[in-house]
Amino acid sequence: DSGVTQTPKHLITATGQRVTLRCSPRSGDLSVYWYQQSLDQGLQFLIQYYNGEERAKGNILERFSAQQFPDLHSELNLSSLELGDSALYFCASSPRGATNEKLFFGSGTQLSVL
Amino acid sequence: AQTVTQSQPEMSVQEAETVTLSCTYDTSESDYYLFWYKQPPSRQMILVIRQEAYKQQNATENRFSVNFQKAAKSFSLKISDSQLGDAAMYFCAYSSYGGSQGNLIFGKGTKLSVKP
Repeated sequence: DSGVTQTPKHLITATGQRVTLRCSPRSGDLSVYWYQQSLDQGLQFLIQYYNGEERAKGNILERFSAQQFPDLHSELNLSSLELGDSALYFCASSPRGATNEKLFFGSGTQLSVL
Repeated sequence: AQTVTQSQPEMSVQEAETVTLSCTYDTSESDYYLFWYKQPPSRQMILVIRQEAYKQQNATENRFSVNFQKAAKSFSLKISDSQLGDAAMYFCAYSSYGGSQGNLIFGKGTKLSVKP
């Protein structure tokens, strides 16, 4: 068990809808990352937060947004969903968000857009 | 931009044998970190081994070791005495050195099967 909790584990929704994925980092970790894993794109970095502030942005669509709250949990909001958004969404955490740190990954949220 | 390439979509190894997974990367940076992550059927990503580019010595973690060739931009993973529990997807990943952005760039992965 990595200590990173993601909910829900599975999510099935329809095109055009909006969903929220939730992540609780490991105790003591200040940085949270979101990754998307799909068959065609592989594992792609979406966004990183550190202690409530956005630190780095990757290939995140404008329809997607995220935030990290004062209690350090994070939420990834996906809106106007399309079929191509179906993927496994991972959250990871690390103590300070530094480049040499080990990332601890959650078990992911499997999103299916029908 | 940095890229990571894993040219072997699938590999197979006999239990107790040794297997090597390949990874090449492209970067203009001189210092960086390289990682191998394992993703078993449970889906959770688990760090296997980490290498700092400024260290010439290859990293080793029990049955897992790397062959880091900086000039060739190659970073292969060797698994010795393969076990059934080693069956998983293996991802090679790159991270820039220094700074405060710890995001990883992943390869497409290699699916490793272990035959009893």
